[in-house]
Amino acid sequence: GQQVMQIPQYQHVQEGEDFTTYCNSSTTLSNIQWYKQRPGGHPVFLIQLVKSGEVKKQKRLTFQFGEAKKNSSLHITATQTTDVGTYFCAGGSNYKLTFGKGTLLTVNP
Amino acid sequence: KAGVTQTPRYLIKTRGQQVTLSCSPISGHRSVSWYQQTPGQGLQFLFEYFSETQRNKGNFPGRFSGRQFSNSRSEMNVSTLELGDSALYLCASSPRERGSADTQYFGPGTRLTVL
Repeated sequence: GQQVMQIPQYQHVQEGEDFTTYCNSSTTLSNIQWYKQRPGGHPVFLIQLVKSGEVKKQKRLTFQFGEAKKNSSLHITATQTTDVGTYFCAGGSNYKLTFGKGTLLTVNP
Repeated sequence: KAGVTQTPRYLIKTRGQQVTLSCSPISGHRSVSWYQQTPGQGLQFLFEYFSETQRNKGNFPGRFSGRQFSNSRSEMNVSTLELGDSALYLCASSPRERGSADTQYFGPGTRLTVL
């Protein structure tokens, strides 16, 4: 079945440093979604990408969808302590969403 | 609009027992999906219901079952609990008919501990 791999599993940064998490699917996706889960919380939807090569920005967050629609990345510029949490990608295909295992981001103030 | 609600929030059971978890989706959302979240396996899809019909199913044993009512509320049942069933069970609703491939609005989850 479809698999979605996400790396790295953990990332610790100093406040102000950049952060990137990568997502790769074993199959072509119809869309890719990104979620953030704060410690002790539940996943919250951030964004959805649908088109090949699509790039979207939300303030300091930049999301990309690969040309082949099999990979995606989330880049955070100048991290802040409020960015702490686990970032999940989720690949949509055949009416199903498959989540990556997430990247836990910790930020040292 | 009120968000997705789940009850109970915390539950402690012993091996062999069964448990029923409840989820109320966002008003107007007809698709409800259930996920199991554990530190080792991450977020794993259990099943999705739309208009009282199970539309998609993940790779979980038959001990895990669910249903959806006419008001879109959903319940999930786990029978013959095992230690490995300890997890955070998340319910998510979606507004559009594509259901589980569309944006998921998650509830706070039910933390199940099996002793």
